[in-house]
Amino acid sequence: DQQVKQNSPSLSVQEGRISILNCDYTNSMFDYFLWYKKYPAEGPTFLISISSIKDKNEDGRFTVFLNKSAKHLSLHIVPSQPGDSAVYFCAASMDNYGQNFVFGPGTRLSVLP
Amino acid sequence: KAGVTQTPRYLIKTRGQQVTLSCSPISGHRSVSWYQQTPGQGLQFLFEYFSETQRNKGNFPGRFSGRQFSNSRSEMNVSTLELGDSALYLCASSWTGQAEAFFGQGTRLTVV
Repeated sequence: DQQVKQNSPSLSVQEGRISILNCDYTNSMFDYFLWYKKYPAEGPTFLISISSIKDKNEDGRFTVFLNKSAKHLSLHIVPSQPGDSAVYFCAASMDNYGQNFVFGPGTRLSVLP
Repeated sequence: KAGVTQTPRYLIKTRGQQVTLSCSPISGHRSVSWYQQTPGQGLQFLFEYFSETQRNKGNFPGRFSGRQFSNSRSEMNVSTLELGDSALYLCASSWTGQAEAFFGQGTRLTVV
């Protein structure tokens, strides 16, 4: 029973355009969400987070949107660059404290030059 | 500033053996978590240690255990290895816990 879902296993986008990666969750107790990206042969790298008291958080080219009523979050990358090609994981936690994150299966983003 | 260091990077073990993996967190980080990544199950949380105490535990059998030392370094042990334990084991450290975690490169364990 997947509590965090990323229904698109892969996504291809042209360089310079917007990439939108989606994540859905089923547990309404989740209150903290993160996005990680992972290159082959490396550990995941933290990108951006959002707590359930917000509906948007921006950091440079990366913006995360949270829709609590729909139990949905999305990561927007604008503009997309070839170096953004990686696997992106969405993660969620219900703890106020602690690293017990539930990860989604990941979406492989390919940014085409 | 040095990142999270995991050793060894690769391991091959035989079914029934036990294995110990090591993780050195970023200096000053007190929380260390372990995850298992497999193609079929994705990234799954094993456990978290904070100030030498296990603070959270995922749904893994008791064959998976860990500990944390006073310098925050952590070890993970798997006993009576099974073929299904073949995976990439990732360690992550953070300041307090519910904050972004920094991952190491992982230890690739193959059980034959």
